[in-house]
Amino acid sequence: DMKVTQMPRYLIKRMGENVLLECGQDMSHETMYWYRQDPGLGLQLIYISYDVDSNSEGDIPKGYRVSRKKREHFSLILDSAKTNQTSVYFCASSLSRRDSAETLYFGSGTRLTVL
Amino acid sequence: GEKVEQHESTLSVREGDSAVINCTYTDTASSYFPWYKQEAGKGLHFVIDIRSNVDRKQSQRLIVLLDKKAKRFSLHITATQPEDSAIYFCAASSWTGGYKVVFGSGTRLLVSP
Repeated sequence: DMKVTQMPRYLIKRMGENVLLECGQDMSHETMYWYRQDPGLGLQLIYISYDVDSNSEGDIPKGYRVSRKKREHFSLILDSAKTNQTSVYFCASSLSRRDSAETLYFGSGTRLTVL
Repeated sequence: GEKVEQHESTLSVREGDSAVINCTYTDTASSYFPWYKQEAGKGLHFVIDIRSNVDRKQSQRLIVLLDKKAKRFSLHITATQPEDSAIYFCAASSWTGGYKVVFGSGTRLLVSP
């Protein structure tokens, strides 16, 4: 069963705390993504990972970092969270390699609230 | 970098009518244009795509048109049903040292009986 799993589904943190969002996929996809979704803005790309330890900044990387130590697992880290990082975060994966574009498979999202 | 504009933020149609969602993009190098559907409280899932080597693609009630000259693409949903109600996102993918997918802001489609 092809699946992208995100944990946790809901998270409430205080400003200044560290946040870890986790994502896993069981499709052996090379490429994984982190997006955030805000009303009226659609999805904004935070980071792309093309494979283990091969990560690239997306359009809004400031305030975020990522880690990919295993192909099936991709983490998003917020060091000292800010209130403007309150959002819904989506992880996605695809077969896309550097030379072709393919369908993205999305997780169900993590709703993060920073108080 | 690529920017995708989705023109309709909301769209209301009656069941059985057609719905059309329009998007424009800026990067002439973009070559892959997928559409995704998001139901309430869920992640996005793929519905249909089109690549730049064709200008029309159909999958059952969904038709995608691509006009590369105008840098415009559109999703047509024919014979709409209430279960088509959702948010639809268009996207464009271009090479920037790797393929990056840029999304539009979404169109909320409401199909009323």
